[in-house]
Amino acid sequence: EPEVTQTPSHQVTQMGQEVILRCVPISNHLYFYWYRQILGQKVEFLVSFYNNEISEKSEIFDDQFSVERPDGSNFTLKIRSTKLEDSAMYFCASRRQGYTGELFFGEGSRLTVL
Amino acid sequence: GENVEQHPSTLSVQEGDSAVIKCTYSDSASNYFPWYKQELGKGPQLIIDIRSNVGEKKDQRIAVTLNKTAKHFSLHITETQPEDSAVYFCAAEASYDKVIFGPGTSLSVIP
Repeated sequence: EPEVTQTPSHQVTQMGQEVILRCVPISNHLYFYWYRQILGQKVEFLVSFYNNEISEKSEIFDDQFSVERPDGSNFTLKIRSTKLEDSAMYFCASRRQGYTGELFFGEGSRLTVL
Repeated sequence: GENVEQHPSTLSVQEGDSAVIKCTYSDSASNYFPWYKQELGKGPQLIIDIRSNVGEKKDQRIAVTLNKTAKHFSLHITETQPEDSAVYFCAAEASYDKVIFGPGTSLSVIP
């Protein structure tokens, strides 16, 4: 069964460093997302991406964050200068249909900022 | 923007009993209401969804109801089993590309 894959599974970084989280969405999906989940808390929407453009973003997704689809398969989330409060599990998701389509999530990348 | 509330935050039931989780949403434009199950160490997985033109939907032991007037929707799990133990999230999507999740309910099914 096709799945969303994310790397790395866990990254530890120093405050102020740049981090890139990578995702390979399901191959025939056209809509891509990043969510984050601080330990034990809700799954928070960060950004949606379609046709090489950001569709929607939340107030969390400030200038420190960026997304890119550098080739036909990868979808990345970059955090330019990490803060302690960026420590969280980051989930990538994709879906074939935009509005009302089922979101398929990866297993997440745990980011720890020291 | 959309805000989704969910309760209870934790729920403990005996195996075989029913579990009910309730959610409310704020954006009257929301038309799609999925429910996700998250097992430990995994990403959320869709278990059932409902669209605003439907009041109720059932899939084996799981059912969802939607009251658009009151802006609330519920998940019902009957004949609970230990493997139903997980965190459950309700969510809502309006006519833009943003699915907003509720805070989650941690369900424990006691054998």
